[in-house]
Amino acid sequence: QKEVEQDPGPLSVPEGAIVSLNCTYSNSAFQYFMWYRQYSRKGPELLMYTYSSGNKEDGRFTAQVDKSSKYISLFIRDSQPSDSATYLCAMSEDSNYQLIWGAGTKLIIKP
Amino acid sequence: DTAVSQTPKYLVTQMGNDKSIKCEQNLGHDTMYWYKQDSKKFLKIMFSYNNKELIINETVPNRFSPKSPDKAHLNLHINSLELGDSAVYFCASSHLRGSGELFFGEGSRLTVL
Repeated sequence: QKEVEQDPGPLSVPEGAIVSLNCTYSNSAFQYFMWYRQYSRKGPELLMYTYSSGNKEDGRFTAQVDKSSKYISLFIRDSQPSDSATYLCAMSEDSNYQLIWGAGTKLIIKP
Repeated sequence: DTAVSQTPKYLVTQMGNDKSIKCEQNLGHDTMYWYKQDSKKFLKIMFSYNNKELIINETVPNRFSPKSPDKAHLNLHINSLELGDSAVYFCASSHLRGSGELFFGEGSRLTVL
């Protein structure tokens, strides 16, 4: 079993829909959680960065962490075709400098 | 002005050859990384340097050798290329060692024939 599990998709939704992307993990020591967005033929870019449990909102994006369930989510409201990309989750322990990555979910927003 | 730049972007070569990929960051960051991304998009860390010191050296064949001449540059040299080395190689940097905020280059797509 991988430390971080993420459904590779593709996930295809119509423009304007609310998108939910998820990762589960097995290591209860993870405290830092990140979502990266990767467009085709580009490098990943950091989208959201959260510490411990709770929600964080940035515009149309909301990151949610449930440490008790070892489950993190990224919600995208009012999805746009420009949101079409691969979304990768990543996480790390407090003092461990290694990021552990999910495999990424390919998201397609249909106009 | 590109923050993390890699060269070349595309590399097509024959098995057995030796090749290098170069990376430079102009962000003033202390830590740099090499990642390998396979065809299934899975990102795997290979090496990390902090102020020119090797701090992460994952289980990677010793045909791969990183070199950091200064903290703004991290190069990757690959000897005796094999078919399985075909992948996209990403350079990244972060302000602090252990930071989850990585800045990635656009990647170097290596194809070994």
